[in-house]
Amino acid sequence: GAVVSQHPSRVICKSGTSVKIECRSLDFQATTMFWYRQFPKQSLMLMATSNEGSKATYEQGVEKDKFLINHASLTLSTLTVTSAHPEDSSFYICSASYGMSGNTIYFGEGSWLTVV
Amino acid sequence: DAKTTQPPSMDCAEGRAANLPCNHSTISGNEYVYWYRQIHSQGPQYIIHGLKNNETNEMASLIITEDRKSSTLILPHATLRDTAVYYCIVRALGGGADGLTFGKGTHLIIQP
Repeated sequence: GAVVSQHPSRVICKSGTSVKIECRSLDFQATTMFWYRQFPKQSLMLMATSNEGSKATYEQGVEKDKFLINHASLTLSTLTVTSAHPEDSSFYICSASYGMSGNTIYFGEGSWLTVV
Repeated sequence: DAKTTQPPSMDCAEGRAANLPCNHSTISGNEYVYWYRQIHSQGPQYIIHGLKNNETNEMASLIITEDRKSSTLILPHATLRDTAVYYCIVRALGGGADGLTFGKGTHLIIQP
């Protein structure tokens, strides 16, 4: 299947700082990428849809000024958590649409963010 | 997207077939059935998807009822590495711009 890669896999940052997570489609071009967040023992929650060359679309309740998304190329989307707080500690996962009509979505390995 | 219902957990003996059910009684005619699984602390892994015909690949088989209101994912010879949370998701055809909506899934535990 298609490969989606995230970096870093784990990051620890201090409260009040910003941290960037990268999501790359390694062997295909993705006009649309998605960002999810998952808290322990819970399911994945869609945060935003990232569209190449345009502004991201955020789900209700997700602060767009806190979670900055940039999709500057067909193979790279970035999520920046600004002014991070301990409650932002979570597992962040990206995914990308692949194939005709984007019928299959492939996921990255996920990034663990711990804010101390 | 239509909602799905799955049992919260299931056990299966190693080497046996694991049959995971999913109910999607409100599925629309243009919606596919997708299955993903998530092993602890990893991103979800795509397994298989189908519209109305049964599908098989190297990982699993997908059986969709004729009325499309339910489906079953079959792992033919379960191994310990198949222990994971399995998600059944329905998604519209051509929904490349739409993210997936995850329910709580089924926690499949393969017993040695």
